[in-house]
Order: sequence, then C-alpha cells, then structure tokens
Amino acid sequence: GAVVSQHPSWVICKSGTSVKIECRSLDFQATTMFWYRQFPKQSLMLMATSNEGSKATYEQGVEKDKFLINHASLTLSTLTVTSAHPEDSSFYICSPGGRETQYFGPGTRLLVL
Amino acid sequence: QKEVEQDPGPLSVPEGAIVSLNCTYSNSAFQYFMWYRQYSRKGPELLMYTYSSGNKEDGRFTAQVDKSSKYISLFIRDSQPSDSATYLCAMSVGGQNFVFGPGTRLSVLP
Repeated sequence: GAVVSQHPSWVICKSGTSVKIECRSLDFQATTMFWYRQFPKQSLMLMATSNEGSKATYEQGVEKDKFLINHASLTLSTLTVTSAHPEDSSFYICSPGGRETQYFGPGTRLLVL
Repeated sequence: QKEVEQDPGPLSVPEGAIVSLNCTYSNSAFQYFMWYRQYSRKGPELLMYTYSSGNKEDGRFTAQVDKSSKYISLFIRDSQPSDSATYLCAMSVGGQNFVFGPGTRLSVLP
C-alpha cells in the first residue's frame, strides 16, 4: 500500500486563527491529491482536489477562500483553514490520486475553540 | 437515490461470528470496488480491492461483487474484537471519481 503522512496529527486553535495541514505522499508521486473532511460518525466528504502546478478544484459548498490548497510538489500538498471557527472542527484526511484505488493519510484532527 | 447505499448500523456481533457487510449502488459504470476499515480517529485503511465482478479472499476477509445486481459484500469470518471499526465501501470508474458509502459501524463483542 501507499505511504501517506499528515502533519500535524491533531491541532487545537483559537477561533480566528489559521491552521495549515501538510500531506505527504512518501512513495508515490501524486499529481493529484484529494482532501476529505469527516465529521463524527459520518462518512468522508470530498472537499477539493488539488493538482500539482495548477489550481485546486473545490466541491460544491466548499469555500475556496477559506480552505486554501497548495500542491507544491508531487509529494506535498497543503490545506490551510483560514480564520478557523468552531464549525470547522473536524477530521481532515488527504489521499493521493492517480491510482486505481485510494490510500489515505492518517488524518488531522482539528478542534477550534 | 444516493449513488452508494450502505446500512450505517451499528452492527453488534459476538466474537467468532461471521459478519456480512453490504453496499448497493446505482452507477453501472463502476469498475473498481474497495472496502476500507476505519478505526476511531484514524484514516481509512484499505482492506480489499476488486476489479469488476467476482470474489476475492484474503485471510478472514472475502469480498464479493455482483455487478448484475449492483451489490457488493464483505464477509468477515471468525470475527474478533479487533475487527470493531467502521467499514466503508467505495467504488470508482477507472480509478477516478471515487464514491464512498456512509460506512457501517461494527462492534464485535468478546
């Protein structure tokens, strides 16, 4: 299986601050990275798809100015939650694309106070 | 109708039982079918991956795909308490546009 890392694994922040989450594909050069959000006891919800060297594609209802995605290289994608609010508290998971199946990172738990 | 439907459970079984988890789908173009296991506060872990119809076995796990009925199953034999998790089915067309079921919460009681 693929090796995917995320950092940090969990973060607590005050309302109004920005949080950056890093996702690294350690054994696979990912031209595409999927970012998901998962609320407690709910399934994965695709937020956006980042593309190396171009703009990310956002799903309907996801604010692109709030969730900034950067795909800096084939092994690194970042998601920045800007001006985070308590309703942004969730579990954020990345997944490198370009394969027949998907492998996921370990997730980042965000708690906004 | 949702694209992928899955009974959310929770499903509770005694240790050693055979567990059957199922998903139905509406898009006949799906070709790749996956089952993931997700422990609490962890990312999903790929369990089984099947292309097109048929069965696939890996240890205590068996995945079945019936494309004619648009129905996939995951069987767990000799279930263990460590199998307690949420199981997500997923499918895609040609490795693109993955669609996930809502997940079934399974509890295996010792």
